Amino acid sequence: EVQVSESGGGLIQPGGSLRLSCAASGFTFNNYAMTWVRQAPGKGLEWVSLISGSGGGTYYADSVKGRFIISRDNFKNTMYVQMNRLRAEDTAIYYCARVRTQLWHPYYYAMDVWGQGTTVTVSS
Amino acid sequence: AVQLTQSPSSLSVSVGDRVTITCRASQGISSALAWFQQKPGKPPRLLIYDVSNLESGVPSRFSGSGSGTDFTLTISSLQPEDFATYYCQQFNNNPFTFGGGTKVEIK
Repeated sequence: EVQVSESGGGLIQPGGSLRLSCAASGFTFNNYAMTWVRQAPGKGLEWVSLISGSGGGTYYADSVKGRFIISRDNFKNTMYVQMNRLRAEDTAIYYCARVRTQLWHPYYYAMDVWGQGTTVTVSS
Repeated sequence: AVQLTQSPSSLSVSVGDRVTITCRASQGISSALAWFQQKPGKPPRLLIYDVSNLESGVPSRFSGSGSGTDFTLTISSLQPEDFATYYCQQFNNNPFTFGGGTKVEIK
């Protein structure tokens, strides 16, 4: 079965750091880009970051650029996001999703498999 | 950044109604547009990608259309399980933004 599953969420004080993980199974991990999407309580979806299948391409939303670092380990079939200098507005459910890719623009075109999410709460 | 504006933000409809949700981009995004459905407490579900390609397993009452900056999600005959929030999302330009969502409620 194709699936992804997030872990690592929790309560963290403002200014602190947290690393989320996304474990994948049931598909050839390095054939797909992976992405993080978050949803603040009662709000809509916000795209956060994406990493290419090889890990050589990374993209960030302006709201997290310079604070979050996305990475992946294709031997462990796992993606990560290191979240630094956390703020109250980073409080959200964080979802990871698989992203289909192609060799022409747009290189990424569908977030097709989603995890159940992990909750991050930034509060003192 | 490309802004995606969905309208309406909410609508009240009855089972069997035809529903149309629009998504307008602040600049042209070619065909790199997807639609998602989200129910409370659940992750989003991919419905349509590349404007009009129906994801496997998604009922044929869902369809997408549009080009350039104006896109539409249509549900031909709303079923009870379709009450949810719908989001558009673009992959043409980084950052890969979502629209604000459209909540479809029971009338």
